[in-house]
Amino acid sequence: DGGITQSPKYLFRKEGQNVTLSCEQNLNHDAMYWYRQDPGQGLRLIYYSQIVNDFQKGDIAEGYSVSREKKESFPLTVTSAQKNPTAFYLCASSIDPWSPYGYTFGSGTRLTVV
Amino acid sequence: KQEVTQIPAALSVPEGENLVLNCSFTDSAIYNLQWFRQDPGKGLTSLLLIQSSQREQTSGRLNASLDKSSGRSTLYIAASQPGDSATYLCAVKRNTGNQFYFGTGTSLTVIP
Repeated sequence: DGGITQSPKYLFRKEGQNVTLSCEQNLNHDAMYWYRQDPGQGLRLIYYSQIVNDFQKGDIAEGYSVSREKKESFPLTVTSAQKNPTAFYLCASSIDPWSPYGYTFGSGTRLTVV
Repeated sequence: KQEVTQIPAALSVPEGENLVLNCSFTDSAIYNLQWFRQDPGKGLTSLLLIQSSQREQTSGRLNASLDKSSGRSTLYIAASQPGDSATYLCAVKRNTGNQFYFGTGTSLTVIP
């Protein structure tokens, strides 16, 4: 079945540590996105990529980095510069940025600072 | 920037009731609007997507309408069931830019 796989489901980070969240899709979608979800707030865009080897900052990119070396993969690194990383992270994809079919989402990674 | 608001934030109804969830947005120059369902601790599941040229979309017991001029969309759920209990999110894509803008969601509880 086609879909988006996020791993791990739960992740714990120590202070000062970088961690990487995985997002893989087999939908042959060009565009991929990372969103952050906090309680009581809507999803906020961290980074997006329209095509391989290209990515753009979203509204809250500070303290995060991404890469897009393969069409199928869009990993997100939460760096030590991100002061409040505890949140639910969601990866999404679409055929292209202007797809009439909208987004498909993964099942999310819950990151907790310990 | 597009602001998306969903009211009410929480809703509790008895099983079998028909209900309406509301979504309003500030910029009427939208490309499309998508309704999602989110179960606790899970990702988002797409329910319905309405293109800017459309007035409504239907899927089973769900009907979504769009009124661009007034900046509103509604999600109508007929004959609600306990399995419908979840958070419902609407997301709007503008004619410019590459992202969807999300509302904060309506948490629905259907009581058996």
